[in-house]
Amino acid sequence: DGGITQSPKYLFRKEGQNVTLSCEQNLNHDAMYWYRQDPGQGLRLIYYSQIVNDFQKGDIAEGYSVSREKKESFPLTVTSAQKNPTAFYLCASSPPGGLSGYTFGSGTRLTVV
Amino acid sequence: KNQVEQSPQSLIILEGKNCTLQCNYTVSPFSNLRWYKQDTGRGPVSLTIMTFSENTKSNGRYTATLDADTKQSSLHITASQLSDSASYICVVSEETGGGADGLTFGKGTHLIIQP
Repeated sequence: DGGITQSPKYLFRKEGQNVTLSCEQNLNHDAMYWYRQDPGQGLRLIYYSQIVNDFQKGDIAEGYSVSREKKESFPLTVTSAQKNPTAFYLCASSPPGGLSGYTFGSGTRLTVV
Repeated sequence: KNQVEQSPQSLIILEGKNCTLQCNYTVSPFSNLRWYKQDTGRGPVSLTIMTFSENTKSNGRYTATLDADTKQSSLHITASQLSDSASYICVVSEETGGGADGLTFGKGTHLIIQP
């Protein structure tokens, strides 16, 4: 089945550590996105990538980094510079064209301990 | 500033009853409006996508309407089931010319279906 897979489902980070969230899709979608979801707030865009080896900052990119070495993969690193990383992180992908809906992964819940 | 406002914030109804969720937006220029269902701890799943020229679109027991003149949309759920308990998110897409994602997300309506 085609889809988008995020791992791990739950992740715990100590203060000062970097952690990497995985996102893999087999939908052959060109565009991929990372969103952060906090309670009572709408999804906020962290980074997005329209093609391989290219990515752009979203609205809240500070403290995060990404790479897009393969079409299928778009990992997100939460660095120690992100002061409030506890949140639910969602990865999404979409084909070209504005009328296609996004396919979301099942999310990773990151908690700072 | 583009905004998407959803109401109510939360809603509790009995199984089998109907309900309507509201979405008002100020996004311009408008491209399309999407409704997503998000189960707790899961990613959102698309229910409907509507463009400027579409007034209504159905997906099973879910029917979305769009009034582009008043910039309002609604999602009507018929004969609710326990599995409908979820957050429903309204997302409005802006004509961006291929740049950023151009999406504005509402905060969602948290719907609880009681037996």
